[in-house]
Order: sequence, then structure tokens, then C-alpha cells
Amino acid sequence: SAVISQKPSRDICQRGTSLTIQCQVDSQVTMMFWYRQQPGQSLTLIATANQGSEATYESGFVIDKFPISRPNLTFSTLTVSNMSPEDSSIYLCSVEDWGTYNEQFFGPGTRLTVL
Amino acid sequence: TQLLEQSPQFLSIQEGENLTVYCNSSSVFSSLQWYRQEPGEGPVLLVTVVTGGEVKKLKRLTFQFGDARKDSSLHITAAQPGDTGLYLCAGVANAGNMLTFGGGTRLMVKP
Repeated sequence: SAVISQKPSRDICQRGTSLTIQCQVDSQVTMMFWYRQQPGQSLTLIATANQGSEATYESGFVIDKFPISRPNLTFSTLTVSNMSPEDSSIYLCSVEDWGTYNEQFFGPGTRLTVL
Repeated sequence: TQLLEQSPQFLSIQEGENLTVYCNSSSVFSSLQWYRQEPGEGPVLLVTVVTGGEVKKLKRLTFQFGDARKDSSLHITAAQPGDTGLYLCAGVANAGNMLTFGGGTRLMVKP
């Protein structure tokens, strides 16, 4: 299984600022995803990060708020823009395993607190 | 309304007790997965079930996929404090291609 790292692991930010979260995978993967997990809740898919093209966003998430980059098959970034306290959450990146049942492997997450 | 409904949402038990977590849907799934997430970490895949009626065992954990592939259960025998965590079921519906997560079951096992 792929090994996934995220940076930063946690941050405390002021409202109105932006934070970029990095996700690095130790092998090339086709599918990378970004999720949000609010305290005590399950995972909500924000978007699929596509290499060489614009990310595919889920309902309720827009590119202006959550711009995503995917410059190659091992790296992606998610930016949380113009933050408000409602953006306080854990942000997780994941990758899909090759040729299996959509099984995903997750990074450790980035815990974001917006004051 | 979530595509995958998990129950119970919360469970607090004593060490040594048995428990069952349920994951139900009105949709048919081509496969279903169970993950466990511990505080400060991402979810970790425990098992994937793909065949209706399939039963898989992972030490004290038993996973079952319903005959109609619309539901699944996770049974833990003689729970231990190390089993504490958030258990998530997830699957791809036959009509879709994206992984959908259930609402999660938060388990606490007290020593």
C-alpha cells in the first residue's frame, strides 16, 4: 500500500487568511482525493485531484474556496481560502489502489483551527 | 440522508464484551469496505467484501456482506481497549463510481 504524508499536521490560522496543505505519496497514483472531516463526523469528499487538468469538485465545494493543484502523479495541494471558523476541520488526502475495489489509503490528516 | 447508514453512532462498552456494528443501504454495492480511524490519524482499511453472503475474519473481527449486497456488519468478539476508534463503512454503489462513506460508529472500550 502507498505511504502518504501531509504537511502541516496541524495549524491555527486567523480568519480571512489562506492555508495550503500538501500531500505527498511514495509512489505514482492515478487517483488522489481530498476529504473534510468535521469534529466527530464522517468523511465528506471535497474533490478529486486530476493530474494535468482541473479538479472535480463535489456538490457544495467550489474551486475559488478550495483550489487544488496536482502537478504530477505523486503530489497534490489543497488550499483553504479566505478562512472562517466554519472551516475548522481535519483535511485528509487519500489515494486509490490500482485495479482493486476503489480501496483508498489515507494520509494522517491536517487539523485546522480557524480563530 | 446518507446512502450508507451506520448504527449505532456511539458505543461504549467494557473490555471483554462483544459488539456488532451495522451498515445499511437501500442501494446495491459492488463492494464494501470497513475502515478504522484512531485519533490524530487517517482511516485505515480493515477489509473489503465483494460477494453477497461473504464472511471475512480478521482476528477477533468478523465482517459479513449481506446476500443482496445492500448491507454489512462488523462483529467484534471480546473487545479490547485497543479496538477504540471510529469505524467507517464505505462502498461503491452499482450505479456510481465514487466511494461513499457511512456516518461512522464511534467505539470506546473501557478497561
